[in-house]
Amino acid sequence: DAKTTQPPSMDCAEGRAANLPCNHSTISGNEYVYWYRQIHSQGPQYIIHGLKNNETNEMASLIITEDRKSSTLILPHATLRDTAVYYCIVRGGGADGLTFGKGTHLIIQP
Amino acid sequence: GAVVSQHPSWVICKSGTSVKIECRSLDFQATTMFWYRQFPKQSLMLMATSNEGSKATYEQGVEKDKFLINHASLTLSTLTVTSAHPEDSSFYICSATGTGGGYGYTFGSGTRLTVV
Repeated sequence: DAKTTQPPSMDCAEGRAANLPCNHSTISGNEYVYWYRQIHSQGPQYIIHGLKNNETNEMASLIITEDRKSSTLILPHATLRDTAVYYCIVRGGGADGLTFGKGTHLIIQP
Repeated sequence: GAVVSQHPSWVICKSGTSVKIECRSLDFQATTMFWYRQFPKQSLMLMATSNEGSKATYEQGVEKDKFLINHASLTLSTLTVTSAHPEDSSFYICSATGTGGGYGYTFGSGTRLTVV
């Protein structure tokens, strides 16, 4: 699976949009971009995934650049409960385990 | 949505004893289950992969005789930490994927193991 690079930490004001970047310049054509988050002392939670088109669900939006070398996860109206470590993961369609990087620790400020 | 139940959420055991952690898929058939370990302030590290009815595949550096994995049914996998030592203290998390499980992988809530 391709390697990803994320900033180690970010702050965002409550109620504002949180934009979390991820670089995956070695992504291959059949690899998806997945986002998970982990709230302290809990298991990771699936957020969203995409291949090349932008995606939106009830939790977030995923914007993938045209060359697919980077993406941005957008939490449109961040709340204090969105404080967590966010992981950007690139993987193909097999059933291998996920490879977690260090993620971005997003801190929502009141 | 897909739910994975993991028990216990925390356990304290004495050095030299064994501890069993259960992971159940509640509303889908988990054909493949994964076990991860997470040390404080570190990311999740994959320990092993198990397919229902087959022997688990362990990642490099993970002792298969110490971390026994059983995946005897499509809804249950167990991880037994044998002869636990303080250095085995960690956060253990299971994950499952399979039929009817939706996208990607569903994770359990984790088990905090403390060996004293």
